[in-house]
This record gives sequence, structure tokens and C-alpha cells, in this order.
Amino acid sequence: DAGVIQSPRHEVTEMGQEVTLRCKPISGHNSLFWYRQTMMRGLELLIYFNNNVPIDDSGMPEDRFSAKMPNASFSTLKIQPSEPRDSAVYFCASSFSSSTDTQYFGPGTRLTVL
Amino acid sequence: KNQVEQSPQSLIILEGKNCTLQCNYTVSPFSNLRWYKQDTGRGPVSLTIMTFSENTKSNGRYTATLDADTKQSSLHITASQLSDSASYICVVRPANAGNNRKLIWGLGTSLAVNP
Repeated sequence: DAGVIQSPRHEVTEMGQEVTLRCKPISGHNSLFWYRQTMMRGLELLIYFNNNVPIDDSGMPEDRFSAKMPNASFSTLKIQPSEPRDSAVYFCASSFSSSTDTQYFGPGTRLTVL
Repeated sequence: KNQVEQSPQSLIILEGKNCTLQCNYTVSPFSNLRWYKQDTGRGPVSLTIMTFSENTKSNGRYTATLDADTKQSSLHITASQLSDSASYICVVRPANAGNNRKLIWGLGTSLAVNP
């Protein structure tokens, strides 16, 4: 298995532009998580899906952020419009619901908003 | 105040030496406590997982301990190698959260192993 796949790996954009981050979870996993990581705040959960349904989006900072999971093998995180304070590394992780619930992370997308 | 506090924030040791990283948490009750290793430029990878009833768990040169009474965990690295240079993150899963599987993440300890 190729693991969790994220694209792009790096994104540089200007303030006000729309940014779309993509994630393909590990085949067979039924949960998908979007995280944001910064030096100051560490890893923050933005939203997670279970069986393609959003369960907890309380971490989504504001209405500029939206996430979708149209099927079990694909999810997007969209920021519109982007702002410099959105600059961070965004991780996607997937897991199979179980008592241990190990999350497997993708390589991340480093977003820079100028 | 963060519910999962880690110390030290950063650490530098020489190759071959041992080290211990600390994690104090206030999450209660909790289901399990996990240590993740995050290499630079990569996503975190799970090292160990312990339930509230376990005291220790080993994974090669990594040994995690848990004291549920004092709400402390430690990660001990034996005979460190250059490849151990990474950030180590303590993560707690709250219990009694129903279907909510949101984890509580520490900020991590950045470890540098020098030759």
C-alpha cells in the first residue's frame, strides 16, 4: 500500500486566492482526519470524517475553510479566500475504527500564503 | 493550559547516549496514550500505545512508561542513533467520548542526536 497520499506537497499562493488540498486515504480505512501544524500550536484537528460523513468540524477555524469527502478514497480541504495566517503544514491521516485507532499520516502539504 | 504538556521542549544528546522525554497530562478519564515520532518534513508515525491499565510498552530501543495515578508518561530512548533525531509527540485519547475520536496532542519534544 502506498500509504496516505497528499497533493500538492508544497503550495505558494497570494492572499485572497483559493487553495485546494487533496488527500487519498489508505484503502480500507473508514476514518479520515485533516490536521494543521504550526510551531506555536502544534497539531490541531480541523475536521474528521467517518464513513465519508463529517463527524467533528469544531476545529475548522472559520467559514473560509471547508472540507468534503465525496467517496471513501478522496477528500479535499479548501481555503477560500486564503490569508497569510493560514500558512502552515496541513496533514491528512486515515484510520480504521478500532480500540487502538492508529492514525496513519500523509507527508503533508506545506502552504505558504504571501 | 494545554491538557498534554511535554518536556523538555528540545534536547540535544550525543550518539549512543540514552535520554528520557516527559509527558504530563490532565485528560481524565482517558482511553489510551500514544507516542508518535515525527521526522522533519514527514507526518507523525505511531511508536507505542498504552491503555490506562498498562505501565510499560517497548518498541525496539524505545520504551514508554505510564503512571495513571500521577498522570505522567515517559519515553526512554536507549543507545540513541542519528536517525532518532525527530520530534516526539505525546497524544491522549479521552475516554467516554462516544463516537468522537478527537485526540489531545502535546506540542512535542524536539530531539537532536549529534555524532
